[in-house]
Amino acid sequence: EAGVTQSPTHLIKTRGQQATLRCSPISGHTSVYWYQQALGLGLQFLLWYDEGEERNRGNFPPRFSGRQFPNYSSELNVNALELEDSALYLCASSLDAGEQFFGPGTRLTVL
Amino acid sequence: QQQVKQSPQSLIVQKGGISIINCAYENTAFDYFPWYQQFPGKGPALLIAIRPDVSEKKEGRFTISFNKSAKQFSLHIMDSQPGDSATYFCAASAGGSQGNLIFGKGTKLSVKP
Repeated sequence: EAGVTQSPTHLIKTRGQQATLRCSPISGHTSVYWYQQALGLGLQFLLWYDEGEERNRGNFPPRFSGRQFPNYSSELNVNALELEDSALYLCASSLDAGEQFFGPGTRLTVL
Repeated sequence: QQQVKQSPQSLIVQKGGISIINCAYENTAFDYFPWYQQFPGKGPALLIAIRPDVSEKKEGRFTISFNKSAKQFSLHIMDSQPGDSATYFCAASAGGSQGNLIFGKGTKLSVKP
């Protein structure tokens, strides 16, 4: 069974630009979670989508947004990029609100 | 901010020894406590998880001990191996409408041959 996949693997942007990150959950999983892993800050919860709806949101500004598509894949958009947005962005999926399985992440670098 | 506090930040253990990582939480609504293992350049991988209705769960060399009254839980890695060298994260979730995980800061484990 294929795991969670994310694309692209690496993304380089400049300040002020927009970034779009994509995630495909494990087949049959309906929930998708986004986390930011920045150096020294650990993993911080960004967004949770389930059945196409946003279920919860972490303590991040509105320029972090996303959506979940009918096939349960998800997209994370970061507008007006700032240098401190440089991080590994991890997507996880689950069948219920418990066990979450992570993808390999997208490394975003903002120059 | 609901927190999960993890210690130590780093740990060096000899091959064959026991590695112990501790976590403490504040929110009594948390009802799910997983541990994740992360190797450099990879996403975290679920290692073992426990719910508060049991005090201990063992899977192979990995054991979670859970103390509900103290609001603490720990990971024990028995017979630690160099291949166990990784960063370990504890986490907690309240489930339901709060299904997102709150992570500890991580423990970098090095197992010396």
